[in-house]
Amino acid sequence: KAGVTQTPRYLIKTRGQQVTLSCSPISGHRSVSWYQQTPGQGLQFLFEYFSETQRNKGNFPGRFSGRQFSNSRSEMNVSTLELGDSALYLCASSLAGGTTDTQYFGPGTRLTVL
Amino acid sequence: GESVGLHLPTLSVQEGDNSIINCAYSNSASDYFIWYKQESGKGPQFIIDIRSNMDKRQGQRVTVLLNKTVKHLSLQIAATQPGDSAVYFCALAWDRSGYSTLTFGKGTMLLVSP
Repeated sequence: KAGVTQTPRYLIKTRGQQVTLSCSPISGHRSVSWYQQTPGQGLQFLFEYFSETQRNKGNFPGRFSGRQFSNSRSEMNVSTLELGDSALYLCASSLAGGTTDTQYFGPGTRLTVL
Repeated sequence: GESVGLHLPTLSVQEGDNSIINCAYSNSASDYFIWYKQESGKGPQFIIDIRSNMDKRQGQRVTVLLNKTVKHLSLQIAATQPGDSAVYFCALAWDRSGYSTLTFGKGTMLLVSP
């Protein structure tokens, strides 16, 4: 079974631009979560989607948004990019997002904001 | 939010030694605990998990111990190999608005010398 895939793997943007990242979950998984990973803050939860609905949201500004499609694929968008948004963005999928559902991670998208 | 602390940021061992990575948590309501391994340039990889109704679980060369009394989690790696070199994260799952959210520790870098 194919794992979680994320595209693109690397991205360079400038301040003020916006960016869209894509995630394809493991087949059969309906929950997709997004995380931001930085050296200073570690792995931080952004949001989680299930059946095209955002169920959970972390403490990030409204510039960070996402959506999920009927095939469970998900995208996240960051508008008006800031230097501090440079990070590895990770997507994880699980069967249904339940407390004991294992989350499997993709390789991440490395975003650099100049 | 939830806090998860790691006792040691870097652990250096010799090949063949046993490694122990520790993690402390504060949310006594957490139901599910997971250890992830992250190699350079990759997303976190699931290693082993344990539910709150257990105190020990074994996998292939790995053992996770959970002490709910002192809110402590540990990962033991037997006969550590150079391929085990990576950053190890503990994560705990807790219900947030009825759905699971993972909170990650800052990570411990395991360095294995041949």
